[in-house]
Amino acid sequence: DTAVSQTPKYLVTQMGNDKSIKCEQNLGHDTMYWYKQDSKKFLKIMFSYNNKELIINETVPNRFSPKSPDKAHLNLHINSLELGDSAVYFCASSQDRPTSPLHFGNGTRLTVT
Amino acid sequence: GQNIDQPTEMTATEGAIVQINCTYQTSGFNGLFWYQQHAGEAPTFLSYNVLDGLEEKGRFSSFLSRSKGYSYLLLKELQMKDSASYLCAVMSGNTPLVFGKGTRLSVIA
Repeated sequence: DTAVSQTPKYLVTQMGNDKSIKCEQNLGHDTMYWYKQDSKKFLKIMFSYNNKELIINETVPNRFSPKSPDKAHLNLHINSLELGDSAVYFCASSQDRPTSPLHFGNGTRLTVT
Repeated sequence: GQNIDQPTEMTATEGAIVQINCTYQTSGFNGLFWYQQHAGEAPTFLSYNVLDGLEEKGRFSSFLSRSKGYSYLLLKELQMKDSASYLCAVMSGNTPLVFGKGTRLSVIA
């Protein structure tokens, strides 16, 4: 009965490869997010998406793209992986109102070699 | 843009009280959140403040002063399991939550 689940938990891959991380939430939330947490533990927003709008952090390279097949899923595709992409990626969801807290998945630790 | 500042590290003794401060600068302030993150785990929600004052929830309390752009998280009767990072995050308008860099709290015996 996991609320926000993401797979895989660990992902090790080589530079130049293309990879995807999947995220699903069963909370009935309207909005889903991807955050990146770097080695200094700084949690930075990458995307937020509901059925009306995709908000993209302008600092995110266009090698990263979110794909939402339905309201309960927001997958993250990464093309041409670079060493600097190594980080922990967290998916999260919330109801579509400012007071609603984020519920995070357990994270995907991506290592690019 | 937004600027959120909190101390990088703090150490406190088991059973004591610790206050973790957060200052922020933003336009269209719409609330401040505190999250707890244990090493290797996901952040979990602790508290939300949108009006000035103190919100108490068990051993944890959170305070907000909107005019000063200031919040603190107060942890009482510290336990070893409280060793974690504490993240201050600000909501502005309808934009996604922006997090500070977190305060790593070490509780020692």
